[in-house]
Amino acid sequence: GAVVSQHPSRVICKSGTSVKIECRSLDFQATTMFWYRQFPKQSLMLMATSNEGSKATYEQGVEKDKFLINHASLTLSTLTVTSAHPEDSSFYICSGLAGGGTDTQYFGPGTRLTVL
Amino acid sequence: DAKTTQPPSMDCAEGRAANLPCNHSTISGNEYVYWYRQIHSQGPQYIIHGLKNNETNEMASLIITEDRKSSTLILPHATLRDTAVYYCIVSRRDDKIIFGKGTRLHILP
Repeated sequence: GAVVSQHPSRVICKSGTSVKIECRSLDFQATTMFWYRQFPKQSLMLMATSNEGSKATYEQGVEKDKFLINHASLTLSTLTVTSAHPEDSSFYICSGLAGGGTDTQYFGPGTRLTVL
Repeated sequence: DAKTTQPPSMDCAEGRAANLPCNHSTISGNEYVYWYRQIHSQGPQYIIHGLKNNETNEMASLIITEDRKSSTLILPHATLRDTAVYYCIVSRRDDKIIFGKGTRLHILP
């Protein structure tokens, strides 16, 4: 299957700082990428849909000014958590939609964010 | 809301076939059935997907009923490494994926 990477895999930051998470599709071009977060013992929750070269579409209840998403190229999307607070501590996972007839989403390994 | 219903947990003996059921009675004609699994603290892993025909790959088989209202994922020879949460998802090919609660599969030695 196609490979998606995330960086960093784990980050600890102080409350009030901003954190950027990168998501890269390594062997395919992803015109669409998705960002999810997952709290302990819960399922993945979709945060936003990111299309290359255009503004992201956020799910209801997700603050677009707090979770900034940039999809500048067909292989890179970034999520910036601005002014992070302890309640933002979570597992953030991205996925890329591989086109070319397969239209299958491939997921990254996730980024564990801890806000102190 | 997720469009599928799965049992919350299942056990399977190592070496036996694991059969994971999924109900999706409201599936539309242009929606596919996708299966992913998530091993603890990792991102979901794609397993298989299908529209109406049964599908098989190196990981699993997917059996879809003729009316498409339910399906079964089959892991032919379960190993301890197959312990994970398995998600059955109904979605159009280019659409976002909404995860339900999945089935927690325990492989017993």
